[in-house]
Amino acid sequence: QKEVEQNSGPLSVPEGAIASLNCTYSDRGSQSFFWYRQYSGKSPELIMFIYSNGDKEDGRFTAQLNKASQYVSLLIRDSQPSDSATYLCADDKLIFGTGTRLQVFP
Amino acid sequence: EAGVAQSPRYKIIEKRQSVAFWCNPISGHATLYWYQQILGQGPKLLIQFQNNGVVDDSQLPKDRFSAERLKGVDSTLKIQPAKLEDSAVYLCASSLMGAANTEAFFGQGTRLTVV
Repeated sequence: QKEVEQNSGPLSVPEGAIASLNCTYSDRGSQSFFWYRQYSGKSPELIMFIYSNGDKEDGRFTAQLNKASQYVSLLIRDSQPSDSATYLCADDKLIFGTGTRLQVFP
Repeated sequence: EAGVAQSPRYKIIEKRQSVAFWCNPISGHATLYWYQQILGQGPKLLIQFQNNGVVDDSQLPKDRFSAERLKGVDSTLKIQPAKLEDSAVYLCASSLMGAANTEAFFGQGTRLTVV
């Protein structure tokens, strides 16, 4: 099975900082990518999806896709303690990475 | 709009017993997914249905796991016999079409404990 890889973390950032979450994928045929957020004990919920090279912004979130490098990232600006969760990257077949746990401390 | 419904929410069984999980997707969603999520890991895709046909079941342990989606709506996932390592949350998700550019919505999951 084609893989989607993430650093499991935890990634700890102070409140107000930028959190940078990264994901690499092995299937060059993948056309689009999804970022899901999963709070502890809850189900994943979609934050953003991206299918074009470059950046896509939505509020405090920016997704970046580089198909040549097979790399996807999610930037969270002005991080809040409520952003503390596990962030899951998935390809267009909904194959998920292991997730990166983000901790935002006050 | 009603979300993805799963039942039961929790299940505790002894190893070698059998168990079944049920999923009712969002109305009109053609694609249905079953995932296994072990604590601390990302969701692992077990099987994907498009209507009542199987798109991908390459990661389904077919010696003990089975799934069906009769009439292209509800789906059941069965484990027989269960092993200790099957302890996990089983998530069902649905989307309008395949995942390429459509959002998948997840149910609350069924937490299975095998003792």
